Amino acid sequence: DQQVKQNSPSLSVQEGRISILNCDYTNSMFDYFLWYKKYPAEGPTFLISISSIKDKNEDGRFTVFLNKSAKHLSLHIVPSQPGDSAVYFCAASGISRNTPLVFGKGTRLSVIA
Amino acid sequence: DVKVTQSSRYLVKRTGEKVFLECVQDMDHENMFWYRQDPGLGLRLIYFSYDVKMKEKGDIPEGYSVSREKKERFSLILESASTNQTSMYLCASRTGQVYNSPLHFGNGTRLTVT
Repeated sequence: DQQVKQNSPSLSVQEGRISILNCDYTNSMFDYFLWYKKYPAEGPTFLISISSIKDKNEDGRFTVFLNKSAKHLSLHIVPSQPGDSAVYFCAASGISRNTPLVFGKGTRLSVIA
Repeated sequence: DVKVTQSSRYLVKRTGEKVFLECVQDMDHENMFWYRQDPGLGLRLIYFSYDVKMKEKGDIPEGYSVSREKKERFSLILESASTNQTSMYLCASRTGQVYNSPLHFGNGTRLTVT
């Protein structure tokens, strides 16, 4: 059973507009969430994270929002740029320090110039 | 900056061969992981290791084994390669000293089994 779900396999957005990538989780023990970005033929790179004690974390053009009651988080990219075209993975952790991250299946974002 | 190095970017092997995928990290990280990435299936955890000589099964360990004889090196072994093991393999590491430290990934090994 998937504990972290990214229900949109793909998303297309025009350059300059907002990209919103969504992620839902089922395990209420998760208390830390991360987003990774992956280009083809490269490993994923860490983008931004949020602790469950916050509802928002911002880093430049990237903002992650967390709604604990809905078990939902979203990544906002404003403004979107062609270089943002990649696969984005949502991940969750927190059960214990050595517990591996649980990843969603990813959303492929295409930013069209 | 953390560097996770996977020994091969591309590998082509025949069915039944024993395959070794090597991963080395240079940041003295305790935790190391092997994932595979397949279209529509995301990142699936094969094996991980908390520290030297330690290993734990992930979600899809069947057909794989691992070795962690030194802290910096984590090897994934395909005992008898099969075509359904054709995939992108990703190694990652993180410190075990800091709660919720992010994973650092290598650039992956694209394995094709024919």
